[in-house]
Amino acid sequence: SQQGEEDPQALSIQEGENATMNCSYKTSINNLQWYRQNSGRGLVHLILIRSNEREKHSGRLRVTLDTSKKSSSLLITASRAADTASYFCGQAGTALIFGKGTTLSVSS
Amino acid sequence: GAGVSQSPRYKVAKRGQDVALRCDPISGHVSLFWYQQALGQGPEFLTYFQNEAQLDKSGLPSDRFFAERPEGSVSTLKIQRTQQEDSAVYLCASSLAGESYEQYFGPGTRLTVT
Repeated sequence: SQQGEEDPQALSIQEGENATMNCSYKTSINNLQWYRQNSGRGLVHLILIRSNEREKHSGRLRVTLDTSKKSSSLLITASRAADTASYFCGQAGTALIFGKGTTLSVSS
Repeated sequence: GAGVSQSPRYKVAKRGQDVALRCDPISGHVSLFWYQQALGQGPEFLTYFQNEAQLDKSGLPSDRFFAERPEGSVSTLKIQRTQQEDSAVYLCASSLAGESYEQYFGPGTRLTVT
């Protein structure tokens, strides 16, 4: 299977704390994309990092990419209750290959 | 429209029935993708269109699954003789052009086969 993995599978934190999620993938990538999914909804694109980039920021999000280790991490700083969702990384080939995701729960 | 729309949002089918799921992508988006998401899992790729051409259908689980996009806009995913294992959320996504761009997902169609 070419499916990657997100780690941890579940993460519970308090509002204001930082949340870090990791993603490992198996194939060569054009880019890697992070998505958020609220319960019962479609996926929402958060950030795209290209294979020649090492770090990217967008608001409270910071993504790193290490192509030698085939891994990426997503850091959400100063988390809010509204950040509660499942987070997926997608390896971009012809389409996106997703793992099982990390379920983040932020309590106030 | 402002985003990707899918219909119906919910579908209950008896085993053996045929179903058709519709996707309206964002206007002007060349690429369209279908994914299947089982409960507690990430989305799994089914098929990919560039305009009206189906460039990759390697993810379709069986020959009971068929997708089309005849005019390069609206797409339909058809499942014939539905089975219980087909129960899942079917997500459609569109993008400007291929994997180099972010994908915009619809809300999905939740299919339950009884």
